[in-house]
Amino acid sequence: SAVISQKPSRDICQRGTSLTIQCQVDSQVTMMFWYRQQPGQSLTLIATANQGSEATYESGFVIDKFPISRPNLTFSTLTVSNMSPEDSSIYLCSVEAGANSYEQYFGPGTRLTVT
Amino acid sequence: EDKVVQSPLSLVVHEGDTVTLNCSYEVTNFRSLLWYKQEKKAPTFLFMLTSSGIEKKSGRLSSILDKKELFSILNITATQTGDSAVYLCAVGGAQKLVFGQGTRLTINP
Repeated sequence: SAVISQKPSRDICQRGTSLTIQCQVDSQVTMMFWYRQQPGQSLTLIATANQGSEATYESGFVIDKFPISRPNLTFSTLTVSNMSPEDSSIYLCSVEAGANSYEQYFGPGTRLTVT
Repeated sequence: EDKVVQSPLSLVVHEGDTVTLNCSYEVTNFRSLLWYKQEKKAPTFLFMLTSSGIEKKSGRLSSILDKKELFSILNITATQTGDSAVYLCAVGGAQKLVFGQGTRLTINP
């Protein structure tokens, strides 16, 4: 399975600021996924990031709030913009195990607290 | 709307007990059902099921899928304190995973 790293592992931010989370994979992957897990909740897909095209956002998530970059096949960033305490969550990136594989593997996650 | 429902939401048992976790789903364009274990932040992959009636096993864990009745179970035998975690069920539909709420399993020594 792919080895996925995320930076930062955790952060405490002030409301109104922005944080960019990085996701690095040790192999080339077509699709990368960004999820949010609010306290006590399950995982919710924010968007799917394909290299060379704009990210596809799920209902309830917009590009102005969660801009995503995908400059190459091993790297992506998610920015949480103009943060409020409601954005306090764990943010996770994931990749599929291979072309036409339905298995998804997750990075270690970023725990964000907004004060 | 795609939906995944897990039960129970919480379960507390003693070490050595056997537990069964349930996952039912309603998903269009079903591709796969996956089980994950989440202890801290990152879910770790346990099983992927795509065919009905074929049991997948890994040590004390096993899982099976029923595509006719739209559910799956995850069994853990001879539980250990290290099995304490949130177990997540996710169903792959059209190019995305839909997650259930998770079952929080606590194993007491």
